[in-house]
Amino acid sequence: KNQVEQSPQSLIILEGKNCTLQCNYTVSPFSNLRWYKQDTGRGPVSLTIMTFSENTKSNGRYTATLDADTKQSSLHITASQLSDSASYICVVSAGLSGGYQKVTFGTGTKLQVIP
Amino acid sequence: NAGVMQNPRHLVRRRGQEARLRCSPMKGHSHVYWYRQLPEEGLKFMVYLQKENIIDESGMPKERFSAEFPKEGPSILRIQQVVRGDSAAYFCASSPPIGQEKTTNTEAFFGQGTRLTVV
Repeated sequence: KNQVEQSPQSLIILEGKNCTLQCNYTVSPFSNLRWYKQDTGRGPVSLTIMTFSENTKSNGRYTATLDADTKQSSLHITASQLSDSASYICVVSAGLSGGYQKVTFGTGTKLQVIP
Repeated sequence: NAGVMQNPRHLVRRRGQEARLRCSPMKGHSHVYWYRQLPEEGLKFMVYLQKENIIDESGMPKERFSAEFPKEGPSILRIQQVVRGDSAAYFCASSPPIGQEKTTNTEAFFGQGTRLTVV
């Protein structure tokens, strides 16, 4: 069964500090892994997307890593800002026959940045 | 190029009524996904559709829920005889046609969601 597990469930950090969120998955056959940011009451917004051959990708202060061997990904946030307070969701896609993709969502990590 | 458009943004229904949620994908996107998010919970996959086809409906409740994505017009998620437990945010995402390469990095874009409240 395809699963995506994220840790921690929630995290509180001081403004300006760094943090790392984890994502472990058992999705097969792997197609891609995406990190989304979801502000309260809004739709998720894509931060990064990585395929099998990519092991790191940055988007501003966000850096995602992927280890396809251990099936782990992390999202590192540098110099956190109050606006980083949100849920961060790891999403893994499996390739189905016919070129379709099956998407499995993690339950997210709720990050709160405090002044 | 407008993003994924969902309407209405907020919908209130009495128990037993029908709810219709609409999703217009981004221009050029032929794949639509529907998700449900209960308060304080993560997104749960419901159904994956291509134009006129249901690709995967493994997340759809067996009764009262249906989805379609006609050749013309938006995708519709329909909930018949709503109950209080159906109150949630319903999100739609769309993606472009996916090629035969299974490791494609196709992006999926989300709408802002429809918040359904059943009273």
